[in-house]
Amino acid sequence: GAGVSQSPRYKVAKRGRDVALRCDSISGHVTLYWYRQTLGQGSEVLTYSQSDAQRDKSGRPSGRFSAERPERSVSTLKIQRTEQGDSAVYLCASSLFTHTEAFFGQGTRLTVV
Amino acid sequence: AQKVTQAQTEISVVEKEDVTLDCVYETRDTTYYLFWYKQPPSGELVFLIRRNSFDEQNEISGRYSWNFQKSTSSFNFTITASQVVDSAVYFCASSIQGAQKLVFGQGTRLTINP
Repeated sequence: GAGVSQSPRYKVAKRGRDVALRCDSISGHVTLYWYRQTLGQGSEVLTYSQSDAQRDKSGRPSGRFSAERPERSVSTLKIQRTEQGDSAVYLCASSLFTHTEAFFGQGTRLTVV
Repeated sequence: AQKVTQAQTEISVVEKEDVTLDCVYETRDTTYYLFWYKQPPSGELVFLIRRNSFDEQNEISGRYSWNFQKSTSSFNFTITASQVVDSAVYFCASSIQGAQKLVFGQGTRLTINP
């Protein structure tokens, strides 16, 4: 595809439920990142992964957050037992190599009610 | 520790004015990378520029220019003859060798008024 795409664009979840956010990255990009963007804390990385044909190496998913990469250019961010504090914009990005420019998707705005 | 500071939370100028967005970075590493991204209302972060720590040359791209000064740990961004379409949130970010993530500043919301 032409760029990074994320789905859904908007998600409302009841507190305590699990959610899954999808990212389709740019074909051929090795590194894939998930960031969370909030007004109070800015943009912080949640996890990243590098993949070759055989192996996915995840970053540091913390607690309820985890990322899977079922295909090289697809990633799913899973949030377990959502909390109201998880309400944020979740941005996916990919880069050809580490330290080259990252290309971002439009984000998924998650609202936990 | 790695840190990026954008002290200007919001800037508002009239169209055609020049405007400079400040970025100060902190790192103990000698090899690092600096970035600027633009986030328009549509939400996606648009890559503008990447510099590595060994290249202190300033760069100009059309109305955009960047001033990288290691002596003051700054990587400032200037828009010349601003236009309404430049209105967005601008983020400065850094990464260091061996760490596979971008550390972002808090962003500067730039509003260009007609």
